[in-house]
Amino acid sequence: SQKIEQNSEALNIQEGKTATLTCNYTNYSPAYLQWYRQDPGRGPVFLLLIRENEKEKRKERLKVTFDTTLKQSLFHITASQPADSATYLCALGGRALTFGSGTRLQVQP
Amino acid sequence: NAGVTQTPKFRILKIGQSMTLQCTQDMNHNYMYWYRQDPGMGLKLIYYSVGAGITDKGEVPNGYNVSRSTTEDFPLRLELAAPSQTSVYFCASSYSGAEGGSTYEQYFGPGTRLTVT
Repeated sequence: SQKIEQNSEALNIQEGKTATLTCNYTNYSPAYLQWYRQDPGRGPVFLLLIRENEKEKRKERLKVTFDTTLKQSLFHITASQPADSATYLCALGGRALTFGSGTRLQVQP
Repeated sequence: NAGVTQTPKFRILKIGQSMTLQCTQDMNHNYMYWYRQDPGMGLKLIYYSVGAGITDKGEVPNGYNVSRSTTEDFPLRLELAAPSQTSVYFCASSYSGAEGGSTYEQYFGPGTRLTVT
């Protein structure tokens, strides 16, 4: 069955540093991979989508890479801020999404 | 635009009771989805709809039913509630149009926190 792995341990970094989150998947060949942000008690908010034929996608301080050979996506937040503290979810697919369990990011001032 | 709205925000049900979770979107999106999220876990797809009158099962449909009579509304029905259905339920929507007009980003509602005791 399809499996998505995100680091369940929280990632703690200092303000101004680059945060890097990992999403690994097995038994799946997604045409699309999406990243969402979720704050406590709220619904997920879409951040970025990357297609299987794209290696990298950027949006402001965010960067996503997609390696279909390694079956891995990396999500980077540069110049991180305390306001970036949240849980970040990786999701495979374009429509009926399969989500990972998310990684909690804590940015310390 | 209100986006995706869900009611109620919270609900406690007794085992065996039934209820309907309401979801409405005002963005004229044709795709709508229901997910559940258990503590510390990712979202799991329950049902989705590609347009009025068309629904399909997701990963965890047992114990739930849906209908889609209008573009705007996509209610989720729980029959004979069980403790395993204790979760946070999220409704979402997205748009698919003619070639080049589709977006895949999903817009989520605020969620309904359901406890079955």
